Amino acid sequence: SQKIEQNSEALNIQEGKTATLTCNYTNYSPAYLQWYRQDPGRGPVFLLLIRENEKEKRKERLKVTFDTTLKQSLFHITASQPADSATYLCALDAGGGNKLTFGTGTQLKVEL
Amino acid sequence: GAVVSQHPSRVICKSGTSVKIECRSLDFQATTMFWYRQFPKKSLMLMATSNEGSKATYEQGVEKDKFLINHASLTLSTLTVTSAHPEDSSFYICSATQPGLAGEVDEQFFGPGTRLTVL
Repeated sequence: SQKIEQNSEALNIQEGKTATLTCNYTNYSPAYLQWYRQDPGRGPVFLLLIRENEKEKRKERLKVTFDTTLKQSLFHITASQPADSATYLCALDAGGGNKLTFGTGTQLKVEL
Repeated sequence: GAVVSQHPSRVICKSGTSVKIECRSLDFQATTMFWYRQFPKKSLMLMATSNEGSKATYEQGVEKDKFLINHASLTLSTLTVTSAHPEDSSFYICSATQPGLAGEVDEQFFGPGTRLTVL
């Protein structure tokens, strides 16, 4: 069966450190993968998109990698800040028409 | 950036009543809108894809007579939960896509969500 797995346990890190979140998928062949941020009681906000032929994408303090052999994407936040505390969701293209399938998300907490 | 609004943000209703949720793209025309529901600490689950002027396409397991979707204009889609029951209580989120360049992935802009509680 198809699965998208993210760490269900919350990730707590210290301010200034790099946070690394994992997204693993099985039985998908996505053309692209996206990462979103979701704050409590709010809708997701788009962060980054990476295509299957791209190994790495960066945007300011964010970096995403995509390994189609391992079927894994890593999401990094460098120099993390308390304001980065949120739930981060990965999403795969679900076979066209811009449909997305989301992972369960990982809650990140950056502590002072 | 593109903004999507939802109304209402919260609604509490009695079991058996119907509730309408609006999703609007405020500064762009959305050819496609998506409706999701999300349970606490769970992922977003796609319910249906809504294209302006045509019938919505529902995901497997989603009752189309229960969740009525109307996409009457390029800036408005509505989701009506008919004969709501407590198990319909959830966080409903819409998203809208703005057509981009040919061959590019259309970015999805999400609304702030609507918290539905059915008593």
